[in-house]
Amino acid sequence: EVQLVESGGGLAQPGGSLRLSCAASGFTFSGDEMNWVRQAPGKGLEWVAYISSLAMTIYYADSVKGRFTISRDNAKDSLYLQMTRLRAEDTAVYYCARGTLDWGQGTLVTVSS
Amino acid sequence: QAVLTQPASLSASPGASVSLTCTLRSGINVGTYRIFWYQQKPGSPPQFLLNYKSDSDKLQGSGLPSRFSGSKDASANAGILLISGLHSEDEADYYCMIWHNSACVFGGGTKLTVL
Repeated sequence: EVQLVESGGGLAQPGGSLRLSCAASGFTFSGDEMNWVRQAPGKGLEWVAYISSLAMTIYYADSVKGRFTISRDNAKDSLYLQMTRLRAEDTAVYYCARGTLDWGQGTLVTVSS
Repeated sequence: QAVLTQPASLSASPGASVSLTCTLRSGINVGTYRIFWYQQKPGSPPQFLLNYKSDSDKLQGSGLPSRFSGSKDASANAGILLISGLHSEDEADYYCMIWHNSACVFGGGTKLTVL
């Protein structure tokens, strides 16, 4: 069974940083592309970033480009999202997703002073 | 104009059929895109339902009942999620998605109410 477990969310100040992690199991992590998708409270889904299976290709949404960095460690079956220069509008539940198919339960990031 | 436009809400009765539309912005041809559909219930992550590019190129999510199906309306430049024989548990938010210009784009979502 595919499992994706996000962690690392919490409260951060505007301008601050957070690092999200996603622990994967139940599939061959190194063979799958991964995404981060977020959902602000009461709002729709917004894609954040994509990374290919061997991290050769990375894409970002314009809203986070230059501030967020997606990475992965295939030896640890883990996906990461380093978030810097956080803004209030980054407040959301952040989901990691295996390609376009499987999603984790999400981790809440709140940016507030 | 948004890349993908979905009606904000729809309502239908149990047992009815409903078509959820996902209209692509003018200049983006629905025929060239694979449309993904997700269902999200309150307090839960989105769940993949299906994707559809053509009748010969589509994927139904694991365990998804056959009363959920995808299609396209080329004349409307739209992807369609058809739900037949509505159940009360189909009440949820539904999102469409495409990959466009190296970015994943979601529609704004449709809140489906089963009255």
